[in-house]
Order: sequence, then C-alpha cells, then structure tokens
Amino acid sequence: QQPVQSPQAVILREGEDAVINCSSSKALYSVHWYRQKHGEAPVFLMILLKGGEQKGHDKISASFNEKKQQSSLYLTASQLSYSGTYFCGTEPKTSYDKVIFGPGTSLSVIP
Amino acid sequence: GAGVSQSPRYKVAKRGQDVALRCDPISGHVSLFWYQQALGQGPEFLTYFQNEAQLDKSGLPSDRFFAERPEGSVSTLKIQRTQQEDSAVYLCASSPNRDRGPHEQFFGPGTRLTVL
Repeated sequence: QQPVQSPQAVILREGEDAVINCSSSKALYSVHWYRQKHGEAPVFLMILLKGGEQKGHDKISASFNEKKQQSSLYLTASQLSYSGTYFCGTEPKTSYDKVIFGPGTSLSVIP
Repeated sequence: GAGVSQSPRYKVAKRGQDVALRCDPISGHVSLFWYQQALGQGPEFLTYFQNEAQLDKSGLPSDRFFAERPEGSVSTLKIQRTQQEDSAVYLCASSPNRDRGPHEQFFGPGTRLTVL
C-alpha cells in the first residue's frame, strides 16, 4: 500500500537538476509532496489532484500521471536549501483524506 | 501565527510504562492525524479524526495504542505498556478540510519517544 519512491538518495552539486519519482499500486485521488529537514517536521510543498496536472513553486515543480498512478518531483538549479528528505504522500480513491507516505528520498546539495 | 504544537518533545519511558502524547492543532482545523516515524522512514499513518470523530484507526499497531479527541480540538495519543519497538517520533498533523478535496497537512514538531 505504501508508495514506492526512487531514487532512495541523491547527491547534487549546487545548480544541478534532480527528479524524484513516486508510484503507487492503487488508484489515486491526489498526490502530496513534503520535504523534511533533519530533526524537523515535514513541510508541505504541493498537492496534485487531477491526472496530468503540473504545479510549480519557485524552481520545484511536479507532475501527476493519474493513469499510471505516478508522480514526479522536479528540482531545477538546486540550491543548498533544497537538502532534506522528500516524501510523496498518496491519497487512495478508496480512502479520502488518508495520506500514505513513501519511504522518502534523501537529497543532499553540496557547494 | 501559532502552528501545531506537541508535548512533550522528548519522552523516555521504561518498558511497561504508560505514556500520553499531546497534540494541539491549529485553531479551527477540522482534521487531525497521528503518524509514527521510525528513524530513516516516512511517516506511517496511525489514526485520523474529523472533529471529535475517529474516522480511521486502521494504522494503530496494537490495542495498546489509543487516541482520542473528545472536544474536537486537542488530541492525546496514549500508549499502554510500552515496548522497545514503540520507540519512534510521533507526529501530529492538522488540516482545515473545510470542504471536499485534498488539503495540506500542517505538521507539529513531533514527540521523540524512547523506550528503554
């Protein structure tokens, strides 16, 4: 039931791009993305609701392919502040409001 | 403005002790969620309230875990007869959920429980 995330970890140099993927075995109502820094609470990035939807925030954007039950998070021109663990959360169509989080992708941006 | 607060921030318990973890959601938020996060893992769903109604408790690991939100605001997660495998960070989140549709969850700082 837990979504699968890939890669597990990635190291980037400042300015490089990264893609984090999330896939689910269940039909999805929405996909949520959060970032958590070490020792802190997860912080909301964005929610994607409709299949084919794409959203962007600063240089972080995401897409949602409802048919494939997949979502991808795109980080462009990465900054040091992007370091952290990224979690996707999937909201199955069978259980509205219940968000199931993936295992996370650790992202480290180095100078 | 005030965010979600949790207390205590750290709790050390001896195996077999009962513990109570408190969550103060953002004022007016309808939905409240409890998660358990083991080291290096994602938050794992425990239970969910809408106002005072517990709509889903399918994630509670055993009958030693009990959650309540009697007045639709503050919530308490109680763990009886704690075991070492209960050691984790317990996160609380709230969301406004004023209408149908997915909503951002606002997380508290968590309570780190260590069972010796």
